[in-house]
Amino acid sequence: KAGVTQTPRYLIKTRGQQVTLSCSPISGHRSVSWYQQTPGQGLQFLFEYFSETQRNKGNFPGRFSGRQFSNSRSEMNVSTLELGDSALYLCASSPGPTGLYEQYFGPGTRLTVT
Amino acid sequence: QKEVEQNSGPLSVPEGAIASLNCTYSDRGSQSFFWYRQYSGKSPELIMFIYSNGDKEDGRFTAQLNKASQYVSLLIRDSQPSDSATYLCAVKHGSSASKIIFGSGTRLSIRP
Repeated sequence: KAGVTQTPRYLIKTRGQQVTLSCSPISGHRSVSWYQQTPGQGLQFLFEYFSETQRNKGNFPGRFSGRQFSNSRSEMNVSTLELGDSALYLCASSPGPTGLYEQYFGPGTRLTVT
Repeated sequence: QKEVEQNSGPLSVPEGAIASLNCTYSDRGSQSFFWYRQYSGKSPELIMFIYSNGDKEDGRFTAQLNKASQYVSLLIRDSQPSDSATYLCAVKHGSSASKIIFGSGTRLSIRP
């Protein structure tokens, strides 16, 4: 069974631009969570989607948004990029709501904002 | 107080010995506990999850949970150089609407 895939793997953007990251969960998994990982802040929760509905949201500004499609694929969008948004963005999939089931991480998208 | 705390390390353990990694959490309502391994430049990989008090063993790995004392630990027996990585503890409150909180991780180094 294929694992979680994320595209693109690497991205360089300029401050003020917007970016869309994509995540395809493991086949049959209906829950997708997004995390931001930086050396200083560690792994921080962005949001969780289950069956196309956002179930939970972390403490990030409204510039960070996401959605999930009927095939469970998910996208996250960051508008008006700031230098501090440079990070590894990780997607994790789960058979059901996280906490009830284990999560499996994708390889991540490394975003650099210049 | 951080919600999930781990010693950042590095924790240095000789090859073949037992590595013990600890994690404490602040929310008494936490119900689900996870250990992830993350190699440098890679994404976290799930090693163990535990929901009930006591020990759970899987190969060389044993997760231990003590809800009364609010700590969860991971033991790695017969440590190998390939076990050198950062180990992340993750905790989720019992509420279905709550999110998973990760600790900052413990760097483990297995010396030959």
